[in-house]
Amino acid sequence: GAVVSQHPSWVICKSGTSVKIECRSLDFQATTMFWYRQFPKQSLMLMATSNEGSKATYEQGVEKDKFLINHASLTLSTLTVTSAHPEDSSFYICSARNLGTGSYEQYFGPGTRLTVT
Amino acid sequence: RKEVEQDPGPFNVPEGATVAFNCTYSNSASQSFFWYRQDCRKEPKLLMSVYSSGNEDGRFTAQLNRASQYISLLIRDSKLSDSATYLCVVNIGSNYQLIWGAGTKLIIKP
Repeated sequence: GAVVSQHPSWVICKSGTSVKIECRSLDFQATTMFWYRQFPKQSLMLMATSNEGSKATYEQGVEKDKFLINHASLTLSTLTVTSAHPEDSSFYICSARNLGTGSYEQYFGPGTRLTVT
Repeated sequence: RKEVEQDPGPFNVPEGATVAFNCTYSNSASQSFFWYRQDCRKEPKLLMSVYSSGNEDGRFTAQLNRASQYISLLIRDSKLSDSATYLCVVNIGSNYQLIWGAGTKLIIKP
């Protein structure tokens, strides 16, 4: 149980294009999903908290117009990197909290490695 | 001061040895504590939650000291497969947001 998938697992795109990343909880419902970014040899950095049916909460310094988050259902959240630039190249990971357990534990997707050329 | 601090390592340890990591947190209102492990270029995976009374899972023992605001992880009889980065994670408040340490890299050598 508590499986989270992400798609795509890796993507290479040209500068100026937009990339959409999907995060799905496969066997549980998640009212809250989290989006993280991790640069090489650095810690996970929380970008935003995605709430089903409402606007995402962005961390300080994260541009909400650049990183569009949609959490339309209890099992799906999407992150769209708009007008991507090389400095957006990173490892993007989502996580989800299992609504049914009430626990603070988060379950992670396998991540999406984005390379912007 | 970082909210969650860890020694970045790397810790180079021979196979079979016992190794311990410590982690300190700054917010006394922290409520939940976890250890995650992350392999290179992979997502973090939950290793174990940390309970107030301390808890053990096989070769792994976690301890929490609320008075001193630190968490520890002990790995006994280390295996080559234990090589990874170990992340100390703390939850503050009711919004389920996790605060992550930068991780301690462990390298087990044969």
